[in-house]
Amino acid sequence: DTEVTQTPKHLVMGMTNKKSLKCEQHMGHRAMYWYKQKAKKPPELMFVYSYEKLSINESVPSRFSPECPNSSLLNLHLHALQPEDSALYLCASSQEWRQGAKAFFGQGTRLTVV
Amino acid sequence: GESVGLHLPTLSVQEGDNSIINCAYSNSASDYFIWYKQESGKGPQFIIDIRSNMDKRQGQRVTVLLNKTVKHLSLQIAATQPGDSAVYFCAENWGRAGGTSYGKLTFGQGTILTVHP
Repeated sequence: DTEVTQTPKHLVMGMTNKKSLKCEQHMGHRAMYWYKQKAKKPPELMFVYSYEKLSINESVPSRFSPECPNSSLLNLHLHALQPEDSALYLCASSQEWRQGAKAFFGQGTRLTVV
Repeated sequence: GESVGLHLPTLSVQEGDNSIINCAYSNSASDYFIWYKQESGKGPQFIIDIRSNMDKRQGQRVTVLLNKTVKHLSLQIAATQPGDSAVYFCAENWGRAGGTSYGKLTFGQGTILTVHP
């Protein structure tokens, strides 16, 4: 099983709303990631969690708040987003956070900020 | 800065042909490479990987070639099928432990592969 599950698949939110994206994996992976992908562009790394601890924050604005409640779950809390934050948000996981780690991606959440 | 990039942004082939998708990288410290396939509306799907101590690796209908001398990576798809139509990304994973790039996956710009029946 190499499945990373993301919910919801689609989300439309206003600029004053608070919403959360969820990601789940049951592969026993100890590293989990959030990526942002704009149309016709490659995914860009936002956050890395290793053993439930935030290891990398790629200078992401504070309106994006990640959370790792346990080794299988990863959340991304959204608040006061801007229209330019509309994108495909991808979750990924790998066995460990290290060089040469094979990362598996979820199907993504298509976020539209209105 | 150093980056992973692609020579051709689009590739159009006939069903049954072999496809070759190229990727150039500039970071000589790169140690591990992955090819991903991304279909419209979906997340990247792992296809095949290769480490820098290898120059070729084969999977089912796919072969990845690595030429470290010229910092070039390619993905060969045999007997291309319409279902292979997608965007293909090469990705680079590198960095020393404790460094700011450690464990990061950096993607190239992608190549759009279109397979005509």
